[in-house]
Amino acid sequence: AQSVTQLDSQVPVFEEAPVELRCNYSSSVSVYLFWYVQYPNQGLQLLLKYLSGSTLVKGINGFEAEFNKSQTSFHLRKPSVHISDTAEYFCAVSEKTSYDKVIFGPGTSLSVIP
Amino acid sequence: ETGVTQSPTHLIKTRGQQVTLRCSSQSGHNTVSWYQQALGQGPQFIFQYYREEENGRGNFPPRFSGLQFPNYSSELNVNALELDDSALYLCASLSQTGGYTFGSGTRLTVV
Repeated sequence: AQSVTQLDSQVPVFEEAPVELRCNYSSSVSVYLFWYVQYPNQGLQLLLKYLSGSTLVKGINGFEAEFNKSQTSFHLRKPSVHISDTAEYFCAVSEKTSYDKVIFGPGTSLSVIP
Repeated sequence: ETGVTQSPTHLIKTRGQQVTLRCSSQSGHNTVSWYQQALGQGPQFIFQYYREEENGRGNFPPRFSGLQFPNYSSELNVNALELDDSALYLCASLSQTGGYTFGSGTRLTVV
């Protein structure tokens, strides 16, 4: 069975500074990887996904993530954050053999400080 | 694309009662999943339906059950509610390009 670890539960960062949210996964088979964002009192919105091909994936709102198979990581980055990026971010994984069953990490709360 | 809609948005129930949550997923999306998100935690997979049949289940007891209908709507039913069932319940339909589209959720409070 697969699992997801998000190493930082809370990340405060100043506006216009870069940010990296860390994600590591565990699985015995090949996986698909996702990042979702959740704004207060809302559902989850897909930021980006890695299915195959280039290991650098670009998503919405200026976010990108890099898949590193040897380190089993899928860290999320943004070069310059805005106040509106304040939200909860979830890394998720699904096995390629059953990509519809998605397992989520515990989440990282990003707080952008003016 | 119409998105995923859930109803009601908020609900308060008493311990021991039964509840039904509803979801209307995107047309053509045959796979729908339900997740439970407790406060401050990531979503936990409850179960999944494909073409009206359950085809995957997480670590949840049988009092959590569901239905999927031909019109792409679905239900989550929870019997004998417990205080720990208080959570945000999320419905998601699977995109044909990979990744789920989530609804805004139903906030269930059990008192």
